[in-house]
Amino acid sequence: SQQGEEDPQALSIQEGENATMNCSYKTSINNLQWYRQNSGRGLVHLILIRSNEREKHSGRLRVTLDTSKKSSSLLITASRAADTASYFCATDEGSGNTPLVFGKGTRLSVIA
Amino acid sequence: EPEVTQTPSHQVTQMGQEVILRCVPISNHLYFYWYRQILGQKVEFLVSFYNNEISEKSEIFDDQFSVERPDGSNFTLKIRSTKLEDSAMYFCASRPTGGNGYTFGSGTRLTVV
Repeated sequence: SQQGEEDPQALSIQEGENATMNCSYKTSINNLQWYRQNSGRGLVHLILIRSNEREKHSGRLRVTLDTSKKSSSLLITASRAADTASYFCATDEGSGNTPLVFGKGTRLSVIA
Repeated sequence: EPEVTQTPSHQVTQMGQEVILRCVPISNHLYFYWYRQILGQKVEFLVSFYNNEISEKSEIFDDQFSVERPDGSNFTLKIRSTKLEDSAMYFCASRPTGGNGYTFGSGTRLTVV
C-alpha cells in the first residue's frame, strides 16, 4: 500500500527562502522520519518525530506531525544551495519488524 | 559515529550472473534490512532480518533473492540470476532492539548489462 506520499514532487526556490515539503500517510504510525538524499548517494537521516509529538526542531529544520490528518511537514529555513537534494518521509508503524515505508520524495533545488 | 558499511559501492554485472552485496551493520544492532531504489523512484523495502532469520519480506523479494549473515558481522544480499530490471541502488540498514533509529549505509549501485 502507498504510504508517506510527499508533495510537491519538485520544488525550486532561491537561496535564503524557506522550503516546505509535505507528507501524507494512510496507516497508524509509531513515528515518522525524514531523510535526505543527494543525487545518486545514500540516505541521510534528518529527524524523527514520534506519534505523540506535534513539532520538532533540529537546526534549520522544523518538522510537524498531525496524526488526525495523517500528515507531516518539513520546513527548511534560510535555505542554502547545499540543501539541494531529494527529501523523503518514511513511516514506522513500530510493531516488531515492520519496516520503514518511504514516500516518493520531493526534489528540492535551491538556486544561488 | 557508528556507520553501516556497504561494499562494493558500484558493481556492474552481466545479465544472468549472480551478485552478492555486502553490508556490515552497526555492531550492537539486531534488526537488519535491505531496501532498493530504482533510479528516480522511491526507496522500496525488500527484506528484514532478525535473530538469524527473515522476519518480513516484500513481494519484490522473490526466489532469486536471498539474505545471509554468514559470520556474525556481515549481512549479505544475493541475487542469483540478475535481470536488467535489478539495476538499482541497494541500501542496507540496521537498528537496535527497542530503538527507532535506523542507520542506512551509503548504498551499492548495481548495474546489470
